[in-house]
Amino acid sequence: EAGVAQSPRYKIIEKRQSVAFWCNPISGHATLYWYQQILGQGPKLLIQFQNNGVVDDSQLPKDRFSAERLKGVDSTLKIQPAKLEDSAVYLCASSLDRLSADTQYFGPGTRLTVL
Amino acid sequence: QKEVEQDPGPLSVPEGAIVSLNCTYSNSAFQYFMWYRQYSRKGPELLMYTYSSGNKEDGRFTAQVDKSSKYISLFIRDSQPSDSATYLCAFIYGQNFVFGPGTRLSVLP
Repeated sequence: EAGVAQSPRYKIIEKRQSVAFWCNPISGHATLYWYQQILGQGPKLLIQFQNNGVVDDSQLPKDRFSAERLKGVDSTLKIQPAKLEDSAVYLCASSLDRLSADTQYFGPGTRLTVL
Repeated sequence: QKEVEQDPGPLSVPEGAIVSLNCTYSNSAFQYFMWYRQYSRKGPELLMYTYSSGNKEDGRFTAQVDKSSKYISLFIRDSQPSDSATYLCAFIYGQNFVFGPGTRLSVLP
């Protein structure tokens, strides 16, 4: 079984630029999560999708971050404009459904550096 | 008081040692208790999860939950160099997910 795929693996941009990250969850997984992990900290949940609908985005900084999962499979997370404090690893995870949230599978992450 | 506290380490032990990793938490609404392992430059990998107080064993790993005292522990027996990683405790309540900051473990051959 293929795992959660993410791209790119690394991205370096200057502040005020925009950037997008892509995630392909495990096949058949209805629930998809985006996390932000700042160096030395645990992951922080940004947004959770159930199929193509948003379940929870209370911790997403909506003035600059946006995410979509249009067809209920792949998802894109965008930052526009980026700030220095956005430097972090962005992790995507998926689970079979919301009731299986305790068994999330994580991708390798995208490491973003904002200069 | 932080919602979840975890000794950041790094914790260095010799191969074969018993390792004890701990998290304390303040939110009594936490329903699920999990431990993840994260190797450098990789995503977290689920090790164990439980929803009740007591012990749960899986091979060399034992997860312990004490809801009354609000702490959870992960014990690793016969530790191996391949166990060197960051260990994250994690909690679920409702639709909320909270991770601890992680403890870095080094098992020396």
